[in-house]
Amino acid sequence: GQQLNQSPQSMFIQEGEDVSMNCTSSSIFNTWLWYKQEPGEGPVLLIALYKAGELTSNGRLTAQFGITRKDSFLNISASIPSDVGIYFCAGRDYGNNRLAFGKGNQVVVIP
Amino acid sequence: EPEVTQTPSHQVTQMGQEVILRCVPISNHLYFYWYRQILGQKVEFLVSFYNNEISEKSEIFDDQFSVERPDGSNFTLKIRSTKLEDSAMYFCARDRGRDNSPLHFGNGTRLTVT
Repeated sequence: GQQLNQSPQSMFIQEGEDVSMNCTSSSIFNTWLWYKQEPGEGPVLLIALYKAGELTSNGRLTAQFGITRKDSFLNISASIPSDVGIYFCAGRDYGNNRLAFGKGNQVVVIP
Repeated sequence: EPEVTQTPSHQVTQMGQEVILRCVPISNHLYFYWYRQILGQKVEFLVSFYNNEISEKSEIFDDQFSVERPDGSNFTLKIRSTKLEDSAMYFCARDRGRDNSPLHFGNGTRLTVT
């Protein structure tokens, strides 16, 4: 089955700092997605990646699809208090329609 | 605004009771999914549903679970006889079923089994 390792599991950062987190998979993926989840809500899509090497930005967020197809990272630049939440990576390998999720990274921004 | 609407937002039920969780996709997509998230844990795949049939299910989705789209609009997840360990957030999701189609989630139903 698809196994995802996401690190770190939690981060405490000062407002204004940059954040970096990554995800690795046990198999080759054709899709990497990054979601943010806030309390009581469903995961909200941040960035979707479909090609190896693809680098995509969404405001202060940047994510990359690793060239090995087995990893992805997400960067948040100049963090602000509303960046607080749990960030999940998710991916699909070839032949699977289901998404596998990482365990999430709890980000806390200290003003 | 979520692209799928789920009801109820919170359901409390007694062990052994049947529950039905509902999902109403806003746009007319064909691929629907149920995922669950036990408190503090990662999101787990339950089942995918395409063209009114189950297309894939996980090992979690045992005989106690069923899905259907009874009226061509609402998409339901039924748990026949709930157990304590069924307590979780249940998320409905949808996409276009293609490789480059991202998954969009509803806000979830919090199920509490007592």
